[in-house]
Amino acid sequence: EDKVVQSPLSLVVHEGDTVTLNCSYEVTNFRSLLWYKQEKKAPTFLFMLTSSGIEKKSGRLSSILDKKELFSILNITATQTGDSAVYLCAVEDGGGADGLTFGKGTHLIIQP
Amino acid sequence: NAGVTQTPKFQVLKTGQSMTLQCAQDMNHNSMYWYRQDPGMGLRLIYYSASEGTTDKGEVPNGYNVSRLNKREFSLRLESAAPSQTSVYFCASSEIFNEKLFFGSGTQLSVL
Repeated sequence: EDKVVQSPLSLVVHEGDTVTLNCSYEVTNFRSLLWYKQEKKAPTFLFMLTSSGIEKKSGRLSSILDKKELFSILNITATQTGDSAVYLCAVEDGGGADGLTFGKGTHLIIQP
Repeated sequence: NAGVTQTPKFQVLKTGQSMTLQCAQDMNHNSMYWYRQDPGMGLRLIYYSASEGTTDKGEVPNGYNVSRLNKREFSLRLESAAPSQTSVYFCASSEIFNEKLFFGSGTQLSVL
């Protein structure tokens, strides 16, 4: 079964709206959770959250990590058409296979 | 800075043919990775090199081999391509293993 589950899988909103993307995970030995933005090709790094850093903010984007409930959210306020992308969540499991486990992503479309 | 450079960007192979995907990074990163991305599957790790001189299998290594030629370069070889290997392949690198990966622009591979 999937270890990293993102929801919703797709979302269409209007420019200026605020969106919340979700990522829940189930791993043996949590080390970190990362958010990426994928527009046309290469995913680009947004945030990394660990036990010592459970909230991050950059401009209109912010993310929090809830280690007790095993999820993270990515918030985007005052959305712009340039925010349209697939947003990927990945988790590092220190007790499982090496490497990051990615979710399937949330496809976000911002309409003018 | 070019970042992570992958070649080729597109490739069409016939079943049974072999080819090598090239990847180079100019950020002096220690770790390098090869992922594949399929519709509805998310990014899956094929092989990784945590540091120069080491390589390890990821989640889906069957049918692939890798070479960490030096600190900059990490190649992925398909010895006998199969239609199931039709995918988009991403190379990535990071200074610290599994932290803040930088991705290349991808190789779209079709195996007929």
